[in-house]
Order: sequence, then C-alpha cells, then structure tokens
Amino acid sequence: DGGITQSPKYLFRKEGQNVTLSCEQNLNHDAMYWYRQDPGQGLRLIYYSQIVNDFQKGDIAEGYSVSREKKESFPLTVTSAQKNPTAFYLCASSITGTANTGELFFGEGSRLTVL
Amino acid sequence: DAKTTQPPSMDCAEGRAANLPCNHSTISGNEYVYWYRQIHSQGPQYIIHGLKNNETNEMASLIITEDRKSSTLILPHATLRDTAVYYCIVRVVPYTGRRALTFGSGTRLQVQP
Repeated sequence: DGGITQSPKYLFRKEGQNVTLSCEQNLNHDAMYWYRQDPGQGLRLIYYSQIVNDFQKGDIAEGYSVSREKKESFPLTVTSAQKNPTAFYLCASSITGTANTGELFFGEGSRLTVL
Repeated sequence: DAKTTQPPSMDCAEGRAANLPCNHSTISGNEYVYWYRQIHSQGPQYIIHGLKNNETNEMASLIITEDRKSSTLILPHATLRDTAVYYCIVRVVPYTGRRALTFGSGTRLQVQP
C-alpha cells in the first residue's frame, strides 16, 4: 500500500546526542515536510523540500538538519543544538504543480524523548 | 494565508451531528478552506476542502458562508472514533515557495457515549 513510513515510533536520547528520524514515502510525491508538535499544541513547520536536492527552512529550523538525496526519503536530524527536542515529530508529503489539491499525507509520527 | 479562529473544545453526543465552526474573516478570493483531523498520537488526516461551494464526501460536509468569512464542518452521525482534534486551515493552492500548511491549535471534539 502507498503511504509514508516514519521510524522509529519511539526514541529516547541522552542530552548532547544527535538523533536521526527516518521518513520514507512511496507515493511518488515531490514535496516532503517535517513538523514538530508539542503537547496540546498545533503543528510547527521545521523544514520542507519541494524537490530532490533542495530544501528550505520552516518556522523553527534551528537545531535541526535535513537532507533530500532521494525522492522517497527525507530524514531529519535533531542535533545537540536543539534546546528542547522532546516532542512528537511528523513527516508529510504532497504532490506539487497544477495537479496539487493542497492535500498533505502524514506519517504516524515519531515521539522523541530526551532524558 | 488568512488566519483562522476555532473554539478550543466541543462535546457531541454519539449519533448526533457534530458541527465544528471556523472563522476566517480575512480570507481572500483565491484561498481554499481545508479541514484535517488528528486522532491522539497519530498523524493528521485530510477530511475535506472547498473554495466557495458547499462540499460533501464520505467523511463530512463543508458549509462555507456566502461571504466566505466562516465555515462549518459537519460530521452527520458522530461516533466515538470521531473524537479528535479538528484543524481548519486557509491557504492558496497550488504551493509556491515556503507555503506549507500551517496548523493552529484546532478544536478538540469529544464524542460522548
């Protein structure tokens, strides 16, 4: 079945460690996004990519890094520079261009806890 | 993108219609209204979107006022599985540049048995 797969679902990390969250999609979508969600809050955009080998900062990019070497993959690294990394991370994708209906497809999320 | 205002929470009895309001008084002519929902600890799920005409699909109906300054998402027969946070979003399609969807705090709908 087509969809977006995020892994791991739960992750624990010690302070000062970098951690990479995986996001893979088989929907053939050009655009991919990373959001962060804190308890009781909405989603905030971290990074997005409209095409392979290109990505742009969102509203809260500090302390995060991404890469887009393949269309299917958009991994997010939470670096030690991120002051408050404990959160729920969501990856999404969408088509682009004239066929774009504006619909985002989300993965099931990765919950990161820093100990 | 136009800002939206939603009530923070609502209750609905199981089997009854759930009517979720959204105010978007600054909406411009080329902006669409989108609704998503997020069940606890899952990714948001697209429900429906519209420009100015009322829309209906297998999940819900979207009623947009004639002046487009507000809309209502209707779940005709709410079930316990409809308990979720519902997000109303306004934006232009198609995307250009840094224009991903922005999700506010939404409305937390609690369906009561």
